[in-house]
Amino acid sequence: EDKVVQSPLSLVVHEGDTVTLNCSYEVTNFRSLLWYKQEKKAPTFLFMLTSSGIEKKSGRLSSILDKKELFSILNITATQTGDSAIYLCAVGFSNYKLTFGKGTLLTVNP
Amino acid sequence: GAVVSQHPSRVICKSGTSVKIECRSLDFQATTMFWYRQFPKQSLMLMATSNEGSKATYEQGVEKDKFLINHASLTLSTLTVTSAHPEDSSFYICSAPVSHGGTDTQYFGPGTRLTVL
Repeated sequence: EDKVVQSPLSLVVHEGDTVTLNCSYEVTNFRSLLWYKQEKKAPTFLFMLTSSGIEKKSGRLSSILDKKELFSILNITATQTGDSAIYLCAVGFSNYKLTFGKGTLLTVNP
Repeated sequence: GAVVSQHPSRVICKSGTSVKIECRSLDFQATTMFWYRQFPKQSLMLMATSNEGSKATYEQGVEKDKFLINHASLTLSTLTVTSAHPEDSSFYICSAPVSHGGTDTQYFGPGTRLTVL
């Protein structure tokens, strides 16, 4: 039974498009929700969200958490080919454990 | 920022042999480290929690006698895949939690790609 569900599983867009990646979860008592970008190697950290409704931004990327509706979104504006990667959503607990979703494979074509 | 290294980055071995993978925290101490496994086109699955000075705790379905974990110091954890078989071929990633100003995150090593022939 999946506790962290990401959608879509894959997405193909053109450079300059804006994309929204979704992450819903069915866990309680979690500490944070995290987004990672994974290219060919291990994931790199993007965002950690702990409070509902507060948007976090980093350049063209932004993310927000809705604890009432149990989901988070990751937005990427003006996409570039370098944004092509797997984007992973994970729920973090107080013991530092992470439960990952299956990821969204984003392909940005020139 | 915090750096986690893994060695080797890639290993190919024969079926039945054992392989050791090292995970090091380079500029911080880690009393806890995590080992994940990732099969192609799948997500990261937590295998075990490595605890410095005590036994590792394994996730359900992970054989502790097959995947030996030793957290020898505050900067080193090792994962040994014993009697490896082709189905053990996977991408193994370690991570270590780091606290920054009251918030916690995890830093991942670059991963080790294991191929068992």
